[in-house]
Amino acid sequence: GDSVTQMEGPVTLSEEAFLTINCTYTATGYPSLFWYVQYPGEGLQLLLKATKADDKGSNKGFEATYRKETTSFHLEKGSVQVSDSAVYFCALSGRAGGSQGNLIFGKGTKLSVKP
Amino acid sequence: DSGVTQTPKHLITATGQRVTLRCSPRSGDLSVYWYQQSLDQGLQFLIQYYNGEERAKGNILERFSAQQFPDLHSELNLSSLELGDSALYFCASSSPLGGSTEAFFGQGTRLTVV
Repeated sequence: GDSVTQMEGPVTLSEEAFLTINCTYTATGYPSLFWYVQYPGEGLQLLLKATKADDKGSNKGFEATYRKETTSFHLEKGSVQVSDSAVYFCALSGRAGGSQGNLIFGKGTKLSVKP
Repeated sequence: DSGVTQTPKHLITATGQRVTLRCSPRSGDLSVYWYQQSLDQGLQFLIQYYNGEERAKGNILERFSAQQFPDLHSELNLSSLELGDSALYFCASSSPLGGSTEAFFGQGTRLTVV
Protein backbone atom coordinates (compact mmCIF):
# COMPACT_ATOMS: atom_id res chain seq x y z
CA GLY A 1 0.00 0.00 0.00
CA ASP A 2 0.90 3.66 -0.17
CA SER A 3 3.33 4.90 2.46
CA VAL A 4 5.47 7.84 3.50
CA THR A 5 8.88 7.66 5.12
CA GLN A 6 10.44 10.73 6.67
CA MET A 7 13.62 11.22 8.59
CA GLU A 8 13.52 10.48 12.27
CA GLY A 9 13.89 13.33 14.66
CA PRO A 10 14.34 15.20 16.74
CA VAL A 11 16.29 17.76 14.77
CA THR A 12 17.94 20.57 16.72
CA LEU A 13 19.32 23.58 14.87
CA SER A 14 20.61 27.01 15.71
CA GLU A 15 18.73 30.03 14.48
CA GLU A 16 19.56 30.93 10.84
CA ALA A 17 20.78 27.40 10.07
CA PHE A 18 19.74 25.55 6.91
CA LEU A 19 17.02 22.95 7.30
CA THR A 20 16.39 19.79 5.33
CA ILE A 21 13.84 17.17 6.35
CA ASN A 22 13.87 14.18 4.03
CA CYS A 23 10.66 12.55 2.82
CA THR A 24 10.23 9.68 0.40
CA TYR A 25 7.05 7.96 -0.63
CA THR A 26 5.65 4.81 -2.16
CA ALA A 27 2.43 5.12 -4.10
CA THR A 28 0.56 3.80 -7.07
CA GLY A 29 -0.50 6.43 -9.50
CA TYR A 30 0.32 10.10 -9.05
CA PRO A 31 -0.53 11.31 -5.58
CA SER A 32 -0.47 14.88 -4.39
CA LEU A 33 2.18 15.57 -1.77
CA PHE A 34 1.93 17.77 1.30
CA TRP A 35 3.88 19.10 4.23
CA TYR A 36 1.87 19.81 7.35
CA VAL A 37 3.15 21.50 10.52
CA GLN A 38 1.90 20.98 14.05
CA TYR A 39 2.77 23.60 16.66
CA PRO A 40 2.57 22.57 20.32
CA GLY A 41 -1.01 22.05 21.47
CA GLU A 42 -2.48 22.75 18.06
CA GLY A 43 -3.89 20.88 15.09
CA LEU A 44 -2.12 20.36 11.81
CA GLN A 45 -1.76 23.21 9.36
CA LEU A 46 -0.94 22.84 5.70
CA LEU A 47 2.51 24.28 5.05
CA LEU A 48 2.82 23.59 1.34
CA LYS A 49 1.75 21.16 -1.34
CA ALA A 50 2.59 19.93 -4.85
CA THR A 51 0.17 18.15 -7.11
CA LYS A 52 2.36 16.87 -9.94
CA ALA A 53 5.93 15.94 -10.77
CA ASP A 54 8.47 18.80 -10.73
CA ASP A 55 6.01 21.12 -8.97
CA LYS A 56 7.60 23.19 -6.22
CA GLY A 57 5.51 24.08 -3.22
CA SER A 58 6.59 27.04 -1.13
CA ASN A 59 5.33 28.99 1.86
CA LYS A 60 6.88 31.07 4.68
CA GLY A 61 10.39 30.43 3.33
CA PHE A 62 9.90 26.66 3.18
CA GLU A 63 10.17 24.81 -0.13
CA ALA A 64 9.73 21.26 -1.39
CA THR A 65 9.92 19.85 -4.91
CA TYR A 66 7.93 16.85 -6.10
CA ARG A 67 10.57 14.47 -7.53
CA LYS A 68 8.94 11.55 -9.24
CA GLU A 69 12.21 9.95 -10.31
CA THR A 70 13.42 9.69 -6.72
CA THR A 71 9.91 9.53 -5.17
CA SER A 72 10.91 12.31 -2.81
CA PHE A 73 9.49 15.56 -1.42
CA HIS A 74 12.20 16.94 0.86
CA LEU A 75 11.41 20.03 2.92
CA GLU A 76 14.00 22.84 2.98
CA LYS A 77 14.39 26.26 4.51
CA GLY A 78 17.41 28.46 4.11
CA SER A 79 17.35 30.15 7.50
CA VAL A 80 15.23 28.77 10.35
CA GLN A 81 13.82 30.82 13.19
CA VAL A 82 12.92 29.89 16.76
CA SER A 83 9.27 30.22 15.74
CA ASP A 84 9.72 27.33 13.29
CA SER A 85 10.03 24.91 16.19
CA ALA A 86 7.26 22.37 15.61
CA VAL A 87 6.57 18.89 14.32
CA TYR A 88 6.59 18.53 10.53
CA PHE A 89 4.63 15.84 8.72
CA CYS A 90 5.05 14.72 5.14
CA ALA A 91 1.87 13.30 3.61
CA LEU A 92 0.41 12.04 0.39
CA SER A 93 -3.14 11.83 -0.81
CA GLY A 94 -4.02 8.18 -0.52
CA ARG A 95 -6.68 5.97 -1.85
CA ALA A 96 -8.87 4.06 0.57
CA GLY A 97 -12.04 2.42 -0.57
CA GLY A 98 -11.48 3.86 -4.00
CA SER A 99 -11.66 7.45 -2.85
CA GLN A 100 -8.94 10.06 -2.92
CA GLY A 101 -8.66 12.75 -0.34
CA ASN A 102 -7.58 10.90 2.76
CA LEU A 103 -4.02 11.57 3.73
CA ILE A 104 -1.26 9.10 4.54
CA PHE A 105 1.26 10.65 6.91
CA GLY A 106 4.86 10.05 7.78
CA LYS A 107 5.71 9.68 11.46
CA GLY A 108 6.65 13.32 11.85
CA THR A 109 9.93 15.10 12.54
CA LYS A 110 10.26 17.31 15.57
CA LEU A 111 12.30 20.43 14.93
CA SER A 112 13.74 22.53 17.73
CA VAL A 113 15.46 25.79 16.86
CA LYS A 114 17.72 27.35 19.50
CA PRO A 115 18.41 31.09 19.63
CA ASP B 1 -8.16 29.26 13.23
CA SER B 2 -8.86 26.52 10.67
CA GLY B 3 -12.64 26.83 10.95
CA VAL B 4 -12.97 23.18 12.06
CA THR B 5 -14.33 22.83 15.59
CA GLN B 6 -13.88 19.77 17.74
CA THR B 7 -15.44 19.11 21.11
CA PRO B 8 -14.54 18.29 23.76
CA LYS B 9 -10.87 19.28 23.84
CA HIS B 10 -10.06 16.78 26.56
CA LEU B 11 -11.81 13.63 27.70
CA ILE B 12 -10.89 11.25 30.49
CA THR B 13 -12.83 8.03 30.82
CA ALA B 14 -12.51 4.52 32.16
CA THR B 15 -11.89 1.29 30.30
CA GLY B 16 -15.01 -0.32 28.92
CA GLN B 17 -16.83 2.98 28.54
CA ARG B 18 -18.20 4.65 25.41
CA VAL B 19 -17.53 8.22 24.29
CA THR B 20 -18.62 10.46 21.44
CA LEU B 21 -16.36 13.02 19.80
CA ARG B 22 -17.91 15.80 17.81
CA CYS B 23 -16.66 17.71 14.78
CA SER B 24 -18.09 20.71 12.97
CA PRO B 25 -16.44 21.17 9.58
CA ARG B 26 -15.61 24.45 7.89
CA SER B 27 -18.60 26.20 6.43
CA GLY B 28 -19.34 24.68 3.02
CA ASP B 29 -17.05 21.67 3.36
CA LEU B 30 -18.80 18.43 2.55
CA SER B 31 -16.02 15.99 3.42
CA VAL B 32 -15.08 15.09 6.96
CA TYR B 33 -12.13 12.90 7.88
CA TRP B 34 -11.20 11.38 11.22
CA TYR B 35 -7.60 10.64 12.20
CA GLN B 36 -6.02 9.11 15.27
CA GLN B 37 -2.63 10.32 16.48
CA SER B 38 -0.79 8.12 18.94
CA LEU B 39 2.85 7.89 19.95
CA ASP B 40 3.35 4.39 18.58
CA GLN B 41 1.16 4.49 15.46
CA GLY B 42 1.62 8.11 14.43
CA LEU B 43 -1.20 9.75 12.47
CA GLN B 44 -3.62 7.22 11.04
CA PHE B 45 -6.62 7.79 8.81
CA LEU B 46 -9.74 6.27 10.30
CA ILE B 47 -12.72 7.14 8.13
CA GLN B 48 -14.14 9.68 5.70
CA TYR B 49 -17.67 10.93 5.15
CA TYR B 50 -18.88 12.96 2.22
CA ASN B 51 -22.22 14.72 2.39
CA GLY B 52 -23.60 12.24 4.88
CA GLU B 53 -22.31 9.05 3.32
CA GLU B 54 -19.32 6.95 4.25
CA ARG B 55 -16.73 7.40 1.55
CA ALA B 56 -13.58 5.63 2.66
CA LYS B 57 -12.34 3.53 5.52
CA GLY B 58 -8.87 3.28 6.90
CA ASN B 59 -7.57 1.54 10.01
CA ILE B 60 -10.74 1.92 12.03
CA LEU B 61 -11.52 -0.66 14.68
CA GLU B 62 -14.90 -2.37 14.76
CA ARG B 63 -15.48 -0.83 18.19
CA PHE B 64 -15.37 2.59 16.54
CA SER B 65 -18.03 4.08 14.33
CA ALA B 66 -18.83 7.44 12.85
CA GLN B 67 -21.60 9.29 11.13
CA GLN B 68 -22.21 12.60 9.41
CA PHE B 69 -25.48 14.37 9.97
CA PRO B 70 -27.60 16.46 7.56
CA ASP B 71 -26.07 19.66 8.94
CA LEU B 72 -22.66 18.09 8.01
CA HIS B 73 -21.30 17.84 11.52
CA SER B 74 -19.81 14.46 12.34
CA GLU B 75 -19.49 12.28 15.40
CA LEU B 76 -16.96 9.57 16.14
CA ASN B 77 -18.19 6.96 18.59
CA LEU B 78 -15.65 4.91 20.49
CA SER B 79 -16.93 2.00 22.56
CA SER B 80 -15.56 -0.69 24.87
CA LEU B 81 -12.60 1.58 25.38
CA GLU B 82 -9.17 0.15 26.09
CA LEU B 83 -6.05 1.79 27.48
CA GLY B 84 -4.54 1.66 24.00
CA ASP B 85 -7.28 3.89 22.62
CA SER B 86 -5.74 6.84 24.46
CA ALA B 87 -4.73 9.22 21.70
CA LEU B 88 -5.36 12.54 20.05
CA TYR B 89 -8.29 12.34 17.62
CA PHE B 90 -8.36 14.85 14.81
CA CYS B 91 -11.14 15.81 12.50
CA ALA B 92 -10.42 17.45 9.17
CA SER B 93 -12.67 18.81 6.46
CA SER B 94 -12.31 19.63 2.79
CA SER B 95 -14.36 20.30 -0.27
CA PRO B 96 -14.73 19.18 -2.95
CA LEU B 97 -13.46 15.61 -3.26
CA GLY B 98 -10.04 15.27 -4.77
CA GLY B 99 -6.50 14.32 -3.95
CA SER B 100 -5.11 17.81 -4.37
CA THR B 101 -7.62 19.39 -2.04
CA GLU B 102 -6.27 20.81 1.17
CA ALA B 103 -7.67 19.34 4.35
CA PHE B 104 -8.22 21.70 7.29
CA PHE B 105 -7.69 20.20 10.71
CA GLY B 106 -9.34 20.89 14.02
CA GLN B 107 -7.34 21.18 17.23
CA GLY B 108 -8.17 17.65 18.22
CA THR B 109 -9.74 15.85 21.15
CA ARG B 110 -7.30 14.31 23.59
CA LEU B 111 -8.76 11.08 24.91
CA THR B 112 -7.29 9.47 27.99
CA VAL B 113 -8.55 6.05 29.00
CA VAL B 114 -7.72 5.10 32.57
